[in-house]
Amino acid sequence: SYELTQPLSVSVALGQTARITCGGNNIGSKNVHWYQQKPGQAPVLVIYRDSNRPSGIPERFSGSNSGNTATLTISRAQAGDEADYYCQVWDTSTGVFGGGTKLTVL
Amino acid sequence: QITLKESGPTLVKPTQTLTLTCTFSGFSLSTSGVGVGWIRQPPGKALEWLALIYWDDNKRYSPSLKSRLTITKDTSKNQVVLTMTNMDPVDTATYYCAHRHTIGGPFDDWGQGTLVIVSS
Repeated sequence: SYELTQPLSVSVALGQTARITCGGNNIGSKNVHWYQQKPGQAPVLVIYRDSNRPSGIPERFSGSNSGNTATLTISRAQAGDEADYYCQVWDTSTGVFGGGTKLTVL
Repeated sequence: QITLKESGPTLVKPTQTLTLTCTFSGFSLSTSGVGVGWIRQPPGKALEWLALIYWDDNKRYSPSLKSRLTITKDTSKNQVVLTMTNMDPVDTATYYCAHRHTIGGPFDDWGQGTLVIVSS
């Protein structure tokens, strides 16, 4: 079965750029979606199909996907960006989530 | 505005069957391309995809849980039902339903989730 690998945690200084990776075999050939989840809340879509932002998501959130790694980039990180982030793909119509990354804003 | 809400028991005993209902509004599950899925999250752990039902009644299941899961829809009631048999304490989790509006797309909208505890 297809697997997605994320770092357990990423730290970023306030106002700096955070990059969260999502690794998978030839993930560049798939559409990657990213979700933000704050404690006690349901996940919220922040990036879809590699690099598209839903309405209401700040431009500070961006995504890329190539080769074996997809990346969620958060520019000018704010305290409110502190959350868990999950990547997700569809593999032969089966949903797959990464293990999640806890983003800490210092 | 799209909303989804999960409902079902908070506590189930080991070996019992869990039945969860997702009641939604703001979209139709008879619209081409639309799907509703179930995702769960054990306390402190990652999201895990469980199942998806398509507008045309096609269904997909997690390979690791396929033998225990059944997903159905009632388009007239705007509901999707997930059943999971032979519940075990490791199935303790918050269960979410979510809306996907295009094939291959993301889960655009999520319910608030419902916590299910498996304990005798």
